[in-house]
Amino acid sequence: EDQVTQSPEALRLQEGESSSLNCSYTVSGLRGLFWYRQDPGKGPEFLFTLYSAGEEKEKERLKATLTKKESFLHITAPKPEDSATYLCAVQAPGGYNKLIFGAGTRLAVHP
Amino acid sequence: GAVVSQHPSRVICKSGTSVKIECRSLDFQATTMFWYRQFPKQSLMLMATSNEGSKATYEQGVEKDKFLINHASLTLSTLTVTSAHPEDSSFYICSASLAGNYEQYFGPGTRLTVT
Repeated sequence: EDQVTQSPEALRLQEGESSSLNCSYTVSGLRGLFWYRQDPGKGPEFLFTLYSAGEEKEKERLKATLTKKESFLHITAPKPEDSATYLCAVQAPGGYNKLIFGAGTRLAVHP
Repeated sequence: GAVVSQHPSRVICKSGTSVKIECRSLDFQATTMFWYRQFPKQSLMLMATSNEGSKATYEQGVEKDKFLINHASLTLSTLTVTSAHPEDSSFYICSASLAGNYEQYFGPGTRLTVT
């Protein structure tokens, strides 16, 4: 069964304290792995798409990496405004670009 | 680019009434739109996938007669919650994608409260 597991469930960091969020997946034939940021009461905001093992993408303090079994979202020197829930999703096989989401990691960055 | 809007952002209705939620892609044509439901502190659960001009594909366990989806044009999809009950109260989010593009762009969500 296709599955996405994110860890940790929640993470509390001090401002400037770098860390990584994990997304492990089991899917037959990965077509794409996606990272989204979601603020409370809002829809997810697209961050990155990764398609093949070894691929990396960066945006400001965020860097996403991909292996054959998992993806990491590295946060360097986070700021309080980086506090949000980070969602990982994989493209399911078959048509219509269906996404399978993980439960998310709730990140809180304190000054 | 890739902006998706939803209307209304919040709605309160009485039990037994129907509620319609609109999802629009503002600056692109969306061949496929998706409807999700999200409970507090939980992840998104896909309810259905809709393609312009064809019937929606519902996920297992989602009642198609209760959650009516119409994708009348390449920029508009609607979700109608029929005969709403308090257990239908949730955060409903739509997303849209382009043909040949795996990325989904999400709307801001609609908070439905059924009293």
